[in-house]
Amino acid sequence: GQQVMQIPQYQHVQEGEDFTTYCNSSTTLSNIQWYKQRPGGHPVFLIQLVKSGEVKKQKRLTFQFGEAKKNSSLHITATQTTDVGTYFCAGRAGAGNKLTFGGGTRVLVKP
Amino acid sequence: DGGITQSPKYLFRKEGQNVTLSCEQNLNHDAMYWYRQDPGQGLRLIYYSQIVNDFQKGDIAEGYSVSREKKESFPLTVTSAQKNPTAFYLCASWGGTGVGTEQFFGPGTRLTVL
Repeated sequence: GQQVMQIPQYQHVQEGEDFTTYCNSSTTLSNIQWYKQRPGGHPVFLIQLVKSGEVKKQKRLTFQFGEAKKNSSLHITATQTTDVGTYFCAGRAGAGNKLTFGGGTRVLVKP
Repeated sequence: DGGITQSPKYLFRKEGQNVTLSCEQNLNHDAMYWYRQDPGQGLRLIYYSQIVNDFQKGDIAEGYSVSREKKESFPLTVTSAQKNPTAFYLCASWGGTGVGTEQFFGPGTRLTVL
């Protein structure tokens, strides 16, 4: 079945630094979504990417969808303590209603 | 205030007992989902339902059962056949491509089996 892998599993970042988390799917995706889960909370939708090579920005967050629609990345600039949490990518294959979630990248920020 | 509610937030059960987790949504969404999350892990799909009176197994359905008798409700039963039921259970809903893109999640139920 479809698998979605995320690296790194953990990311310790100094406040103010940049980092990137990567997402790779075993199959071609129709779209990919990113969610953020704060400690003790539930996942909250951040963004969806649909087109090959698409790049979207949300303030300090930049999301990219690969040309082959099998990988994606999230880049955060000037990390803040509010960025703490686990970031999940989730891919949808075809026109189905299922999302396959990656294992997540847990981000810890050192002030 | 539209959203998804899950109750209770924390649940404790003895080994060998069945337990039912509640999930209710007032978003008028057709599709609903149950995920399991283990500490430090991602979300794994247990069951999902695209319409009332219909549901499909996800990736880890063994030891679980669901029903979808009403559009607003999608309860999950964790049976005694589930070998390792202690986990964080998340319910989600989706309105479909004509309505919105994202899945909305409830606050979750943390189940501990003693």
